[in-house]
Amino acid sequence: QSALTQPASVSGSPGQSITISCTGTSSDVGSYNLVSWYQQHPGKAPKLMIYEVSKRPSGVSNRFSGSKSGNTASLTISGLQAEDEADYYCCSYAGSNTFYVFGTGTKVTVL
Amino acid sequence: QVQLQESGPGLVKPSETLSLTCTVSGGSSSSYYWSWIRQPPGKGLEWIGYIYYSGSTNYKPSLKSRVTISVDTSKNQISLKLSSVTAADTAVYYCARVDDYRFFDYWGQGTLVTVSS
Repeated sequence: QSALTQPASVSGSPGQSITISCTGTSSDVGSYNLVSWYQQHPGKAPKLMIYEVSKRPSGVSNRFSGSKSGNTASLTISGLQAEDEADYYCCSYAGSNTFYVFGTGTKVTVL
Repeated sequence: QVQLQESGPGLVKPSETLSLTCTVSGGSSSSYYWSWIRQPPGKGLEWIGYIYYSGSTNYKPSLKSRVTISVDTSKNQISLKLSSVTAADTAVYYCARVDDYRFFDYWGQGTLVTVSS
């Protein structure tokens, strides 16, 4: 099972919106609405930002939103802030043989 | 607030067995799935496996022959054993709670394990 494909880097200026894509296959992203997104600052543990494609956990800013179309999920960060600079990983449930597959990771830079 | 803390040796010799423990505080290890996830230095996340509090397990197919995850609900601890390690197993190892197999909602701080002689 290959990792989900994400762009290596995305950048934007403060206040702008950016979107990170996460491309999988019909065996993972395309089959289940169980895509989650994680934010990871350097040296820190990942933090859950989005679950079940578009749901936000309590305490996560509403500037973060998720969506899915076919085999590709997306994370949008609106009103980009300096604190959003981090690595972001998507993850999808992939059935009872593979279980979970993570994305390759995207480094977000706030210019 | 649920907190997870990984512990174990930071250095393991090649061909030996890596052993880590995750201690859960602020909540019970019962009624949840618990996962181990690792991240090689400078690389992405890799799911290793999970255990349900009842003891049932599932592992990443490519690691299945070398991995054992166990749970001690009386101590609120989840353990990971990875046998026959090589340098490729050098990584930060995280334990994480799995919300009904849907997502990983609580993570430990991670512990770096280096495989080297």
